[in-house]
Amino acid sequence: GQNIDQPTEMTATEGAIVQINCTYQTSGFNGLFWYQQHAGEAPTFLSYNVLDGLEEKGRFSSFLSRSKGYSYLLLKELQMKDSASYLCAVMDSNYQLIWGAGTKLIIKP
Amino acid sequence: NAGVTQTPKFRILKIGQSMTLQCTQDMNHNYMYWYRQDPGMGLKLIYYSVGAGITDKGEVPNGYNVSRSTTEDFPLRLELAAPSQTSVYFCASSYGERNEQYFGPGTRLTVT
Repeated sequence: GQNIDQPTEMTATEGAIVQINCTYQTSGFNGLFWYQQHAGEAPTFLSYNVLDGLEEKGRFSSFLSRSKGYSYLLLKELQMKDSASYLCAVMDSNYQLIWGAGTKLIIKP
Repeated sequence: NAGVTQTPKFRILKIGQSMTLQCTQDMNHNYMYWYRQDPGMGLKLIYYSVGAGITDKGEVPNGYNVSRSTTEDFPLRLELAAPSQTSVYFCASSYGERNEQYFGPGTRLTVT
């Protein structure tokens, strides 16, 4: 079966750095996406990785290792507005997204 | 440019009733999707469309139907609503299959 695993909840301090991990087992791989979802709102796109390595975009970076079935999202200089759920999704061989349950990130002052 | 719009925002249905969730996008995207999101679970794909006149089943299509008569509109029909269909429904669109998906604000549906 297809499976995406990510921690259910994480807590971090304002101004700090946090890493949210995602491991996956899917039938085929056509890229990995990270989305941010604030409570009661729609998911919004953060990043896309299809090749191994690190993609940096401002305070957010995303890393992919295809051989290990592993990705992480790195958030630097955390702000209170970063309190949200972070969803990992893998595009399988049929170009359909398989979604993880999301990691709820709580930022404390 | 409104992006992806969905109506209604909230709805309560009685068991056995039917309804249509509306979705419209103004970005001229070929690909459109319907997902449901249940607490503690990942988004599940219900149906998707790669262009006007073409639709296909996703992971959880039972109890739902869709149509795509225009590029802009992708309504989702619930027939004979059941409590198991209580969920938040999101419509999304993308330019291509590998591109980021843009989501509508969602419809919160309760079936009692």
